[in-house]
Amino acid sequence: DAGITQSPRHKVTETGTPVTLRCHQTENHRYMYWYRQDPGHGLRLIHYSYGVKDTDKGEVSDGYSVSRSKTEDFLLTLESATSSQTSVYFCAITPVGGLTDTQYFGPGTRLTVL
Amino acid sequence: AQKITQTQPGMFVQEKEAVTLDCTYDTSDPSYGLFWYKQPSSGEMIFLIYQGSYDQQNATEGRYSLNFQKARKSANLVISASQLGDSAMYFCAMRNSGGSNYKLTFGKGTLLTVNP
Repeated sequence: DAGITQSPRHKVTETGTPVTLRCHQTENHRYMYWYRQDPGHGLRLIHYSYGVKDTDKGEVSDGYSVSRSKTEDFLLTLESATSSQTSVYFCAITPVGGLTDTQYFGPGTRLTVL
Repeated sequence: AQKITQTQPGMFVQEKEAVTLDCTYDTSDPSYGLFWYKQPSSGEMIFLIYQGSYDQQNATEGRYSLNFQKARKSANLVISASQLGDSAMYFCAMRNSGGSNYKLTFGKGTLLTVNP
């Protein structure tokens, strides 16, 4: 258990509304990531963070913003949700310093934009 | 740019038989890591096995082994003695070293079905 929680776990919203997803970790890991998973695409990186207030774009960042004001929380915001953002969103962390620096994932958030 | 290719959208295997899930990768970085994850129907992403580009031996973890062929840029997952609980989506992923911030690039996955 990598100590990662995501909230909410499920959300249904309407097109044009703002949505914020929260990722919380309990072990003070520096590196955190947001991915989206869609059928036929695997997991694609949206944004990532390498420290408090240090974030950068991933492969599919358009329409998303992130914030990290505390080590333990990494927020993903959809400023104005669109139907194309209907997806399963995963947060992940990398505990650095081990043999493999394996990335571990949260349970996911299923977001439906109507 | 990094790329991971999983050419098998779906695979079927009989219980207790072995199965190989294919993964090829493309990178110009000499130092990289390869990962396999399992995603059962419940949705969580479970780390299975890791192979470093400089590792001399193929990685093994219980019934999972990684058939690493560096010259061919392939990192196939072998599951021995398949069990019904192995039915899941399997993802291959790669991480380049050197300032990558430990980001992963994923393949599109292979859906494995184990038949009784």
